[in-house]
Amino acid sequence: DTEVTQTPKHLVMGMTNKKSLKCEQHMGHRAMYWYKQKAKKPPELMFVYSYEKLSINESVPSRFSPECPNSSLLNLHLHALQPEDSALYLCASSQASGPLRDTQYFGPGTRLTVL
Amino acid sequence: DQQVKQNSPSLSVQEGRISILNCDYTNSMFDYFLWYKKYPAEGPTFLISISSIKDKNEDGRFTVFLNKSAKHLSLHIVPSQPGDSAVYFCAATNSGGYQKVTFGTGTKLQVIP
Repeated sequence: DTEVTQTPKHLVMGMTNKKSLKCEQHMGHRAMYWYKQKAKKPPELMFVYSYEKLSINESVPSRFSPECPNSSLLNLHLHALQPEDSALYLCASSQASGPLRDTQYFGPGTRLTVL
Repeated sequence: DQQVKQNSPSLSVQEGRISILNCDYTNSMFDYFLWYKKYPAEGPTFLISISSIKDKNEDGRFTVFLNKSAKHLSLHIVPSQPGDSAVYFCAATNSGGYQKVTFGTGTKLQVIP
C-alpha cells in the first residue's frame, strides 16, 4: 500500500479566511512533506517533517503553518492567503530510510483557489 | 537557477515504439535520481530511481540510464502504451540533504494509438 490521502480535493477561500489542509498516510513512513505546484511548473518543496519534527522550512511565508500531530498525519493551516497562493498543494511521505534509497510517495493534492 | 532541466517540454511517440525522455542536471552533488509520472489533477506517481553508483536500472518496461560524466539521465519506455501519456518529471537529491528533492520542469509525453 503506497497511498497518501489528502482532503479536501478542492478548496476555495477568501483572503480573510482560515482553513486547513489534511494529509494522512498509513505506510509507517517517518517523513512527511508539503509541496506547492503552480500550473506547468515542477513541485516546489515547502516543509519537511522528519520523525514528527520540522526539519526543513523553505522560507515559506508565515501565512502557511504546518503541523504534524502524529507520524501518520500532516496538516497545513492557511490564514490570510493571497490570490497568488492559488495552486495545487501536494503532500508526500517517505520512510526516511536515508540517502540513496529514500523515495517520496505523493498524494493526489488539494487544488486551492484564493479569491 | 534550474538545477534539473528537461529541455523537451513535449514528446509524441507511436504506440509500441520506444519513448526516450531526457534530463540534465548541473549540481555535481546530486547522487540519487528519480522519475515520476503525473496525470492531470493527480499527484506524481513514483516510477523508477537510480543511485549514482549505478549506470542503469530496469523495472519492466521502464529503464533509466545515468551518465555521470555528462550529468545526464534518460528514461526509456518500451513498448510505449497510450496509458503512458502523462507528464514525466525527473528529480534529483543528494546524500547530505536527501529529503530535499529538486524536480525538473517536466516533459509531456503523448503516446498515439
